Amino acid sequence: AQSVTQLDSHVSVSEGTPVLLRCNYSSSYSPSLFWYVQHPNKGLQLLLKYTSAATLVKGINGFEAEFKKSETSFHLTKPSAHMSDAAEYFCVGGGSYIPTFGRGTSLIVHP
Amino acid sequence: ETGVTQTPRHLVMGMTNKKSLKCEQHLGHNAMYWYKQSAKKPLELMFVYSLEERVENNSVPSRFSPECPNSSHLFLHLHTLQPEDSALYLCASSQDSRPSEAFFGQGTRLTVV
Repeated sequence: AQSVTQLDSHVSVSEGTPVLLRCNYSSSYSPSLFWYVQHPNKGLQLLLKYTSAATLVKGINGFEAEFKKSETSFHLTKPSAHMSDAAEYFCVGGGSYIPTFGRGTSLIVHP
Repeated sequence: ETGVTQTPRHLVMGMTNKKSLKCEQHLGHNAMYWYKQSAKKPLELMFVYSLEERVENNSVPSRFSPECPNSSHLFLHLHTLQPEDSALYLCASSQDSRPSEAFFGQGTRLTVV
């Protein structure tokens, strides 16, 4: 079975500074991992996915994530936060048919 | 717009009411899903339809009844709900049955009183 843990319920950054949203996974086999974003009153939007090709995955809106097997991590990063990045972010494990969602990290961006 | 439209956006219903949630996707996908998003709980997959056949019922109570008349439309029929069923219900779709990698609608905010 696969599970994911988002290590922070809230992350607060200033506009223009780097973003780091942390996700650890546990899996007995090669995982499939995803990051989704949910803006207020919106549905979820796929940011990026890892499916055992390149370990550094680039997504939309300047986000990227690096799969690190030695650390069982799949952290989401962005070099420079924008006000429009303020949202809820979900790490998702897709190794089995039923996806496993993390509890979400709320990203707060200060001007 | 994500191509997945849900109506209504908000719904308040009593515990004895019967109501339905509607989802329509304009992406040409052949799989559709219902998810439940409750406060302070991880998102939960409820039902999966692939090629209009239900392929997954993730231990959902029978007071929730899905219907998929064609590949573009998905309904969730609700009856005798409980207050704890209040949540955001999200519809999603994908090409082929891949619930981890889907396009989501904006959701229906359901309140059971």
